[in-house]
Amino acid sequence: GAVVSQHPSWVICKSGTSVKIECRSLDFQATTMFWYRQFPKQSLMLMATSNEGSKATYEQGVEKDKFLINHASLTLSTLTVTSAHPEDSSFYICSARDGTRVFEQYFGPGTRLTVT
Amino acid sequence: GQQLNQSPQSMFIQEGEDVSMNCTSSSIFNTWLWYKQDPGEGPVLLIALYKAGELTSNGRLTAQFGITRKDSFLNISASIPSDVGIYFCAGLMGSSNTGKLIFGQGTTLQVKP
Repeated sequence: GAVVSQHPSWVICKSGTSVKIECRSLDFQATTMFWYRQFPKQSLMLMATSNEGSKATYEQGVEKDKFLINHASLTLSTLTVTSAHPEDSSFYICSARDGTRVFEQYFGPGTRLTVT
Repeated sequence: GQQLNQSPQSMFIQEGEDVSMNCTSSSIFNTWLWYKQDPGEGPVLLIALYKAGELTSNGRLTAQFGITRKDSFLNISASIPSDVGIYFCAGLMGSSNTGKLIFGQGTTLQVKP
């Protein structure tokens, strides 16, 4: 149980284009989902928190117009990187909080984004 | 952003040895979680700790939630090659349904067969 999937697992895009990453909780309902960014050999940095049916809460320094988050249902959240630039290249990981076991948070396998 | 102080940063040990790593913070946390991350993968939850003083085991892993609620440690006994990876501690800041995880910097573990 408590499986979170991400799609795609990796993507290469050209500078200036937009990329959408999906995060799904497969066997539980996630009232809250989180998006993290991780640079090589570094820890996870929280970008934003999304609750189903409401606007995402972004961490300080994260541009909400650049990283669009939509939490359309209890099992799906999407992150869209708009007008991507090479500096947006990173490993993006989502996680979901199980509504029945709110202390625990489960992570997806991550999406490697490379912007050329 | 705020981070936990996790140590050591890296460890290189012989197969069969025991391993210990810890996290400290100046802030109080209500929940501590320990994760393991393999290269190119997302973190996998190993152990969750909910009460100060709690000692919890999961196979060869043992973790404790410090009495002051400002620290936690993780022990791995009789290490094996598949224990290789990056271990992260995480503290839950805020309430259970609205709080967010704060991560340590990670401990990279390498095991020599």
